[in-house]
Amino acid sequence: GENVEQHPSTLSVQEGDSAVIKCTYSDSASNYFPWYKQELGKRPQLIIDIRSNVGEKKDQRIAVTLNKTAKHFSLHITETQPEDSAVYFCAASKNRGSNSGYALNFGKGTSLLVTP
Amino acid sequence: DAGITQSPRHKVTETGTPVTLRCHQTENHRYMYWYRQDPGHGLRLIHYSYGVKDTDKGEVSDGYSVSRSKTEDFLLTLESATSSQTSVYFCAISVWAGGTDTQYFGPGTRLTVL
Repeated sequence: GENVEQHPSTLSVQEGDSAVIKCTYSDSASNYFPWYKQELGKRPQLIIDIRSNVGEKKDQRIAVTLNKTAKHFSLHITETQPEDSAVYFCAASKNRGSNSGYALNFGKGTSLLVTP
Repeated sequence: DAGITQSPRHKVTETGTPVTLRCHQTENHRYMYWYRQDPGHGLRLIHYSYGVKDTDKGEVSDGYSVSRSKTEDFLLTLESATSSQTSVYFCAISVWAGGTDTQYFGPGTRLTVL
């Protein structure tokens, strides 16, 4: 089955700096890569996703890049703020994108701390 | 919150007792999922459903069963709870909208098995 590795497990940055979280996946058939943010005691919330036909996607301060050949993808957060502090999870799946359902295979998470 | 609720939100039970967790959605989405979250493991799929009475196993299905008799409800049952099933359980649904198929999570149920 799919194996998703996520690094680092913890990351501490100063407010205003950038943060980068990296994930690798094993199944070359995976084609959908979402990122979730989870605050303490809350549910995972989707923050950005990317499909395998796209190399990069950006939404304000958040961007995700995908390298299909190397089977890795990364989350980039620029101009970090204290409210970005949370646990971030990457995931990979085979998403046919036609309302057909899919299982998400998650990385183990990165705890990001942004200090003022 | 994609119209997903879970009940109970917290439960403490004893080893060997049966436990049922409920996931309810209000928008008639076809696909529903149960995940468990444990420190150091991320989220792992237990079971999923692709329609009424249609379910299948995920990565960590041993010790769990599910049922879906109505589109809006997906039940997760621990027939005889064990301490290793102490976890936070999240239900999720797939939402198909605007050509995108996205999973959204419920608020979670924290289960403690003593």
